[in-house]
Amino acid sequence: DADVTQTPRNRITKTGKRIMLECSQTKGHDRMYWYRQDPGLGLRLIYYSFDVKDINKGEISDGYSVSRQAQAKFSLSLESAIPNQTALYFCATSDLMEDTGELFFGEGSRLTVL
Amino acid sequence: GQNIDQPTEMTATEGAIVQINCTYQTSGFNGLFWYQQHAGEAPTFLSYNVLDGLEEKGRFSSFLSRSKGYSYLLLKELQMKDSASYLCAVTDSNYQLIWGAGTKLIIKP
Repeated sequence: DADVTQTPRNRITKTGKRIMLECSQTKGHDRMYWYRQDPGLGLRLIYYSFDVKDINKGEISDGYSVSRQAQAKFSLSLESAIPNQTALYFCATSDLMEDTGELFFGEGSRLTVL
Repeated sequence: GQNIDQPTEMTATEGAIVQINCTYQTSGFNGLFWYQQHAGEAPTFLSYNVLDGLEEKGRFSSFLSRSKGYSYLLLKELQMKDSASYLCAVTDSNYQLIWGAGTKLIIKP
């Protein structure tokens, strides 16, 4: 089983619908992140969390919210999805004690908003 | 602003060597990463450089020059499975990761 698991892997929805993407990890890492990836662009950070009580906005947080339910779980919500939120979304984790800050990614959630 | 530049696409031949360049302009520097990403899959860690010089890891090597804001990833003895995108990312002074758009590497027989 993957150390970082995302659900759903694929989702097609309509404009205005509420969508939640879930991420769970078994790596025991404190730090968790949500990124989106669009063709021709680098990964862009949406939100990140360094522990259960810590939530921080990334560079593109508008239109998104997150919840850190436990050390192992970090969910991303789109309250009212719009077509330009169509993208590939990645959850990632990192270890506070690891000097490099290497990220471990989930397999991705492909979201299409019609 | 902060910027990471790398070529959009490169083509190389199986068995050959290819060098993928990355230049960066960031507010501070606390390390540079290379990740590999196969189409439709998650990025996976390849290398990390924080000091100038060459880091070798099997067929892959990564070089850093902090004074020039420059790095390259060198792939030797190319295999078909090396066809993927290669992402360069820099950690800035606030320990935020800035990502390049990635270089799509196509390997031909």
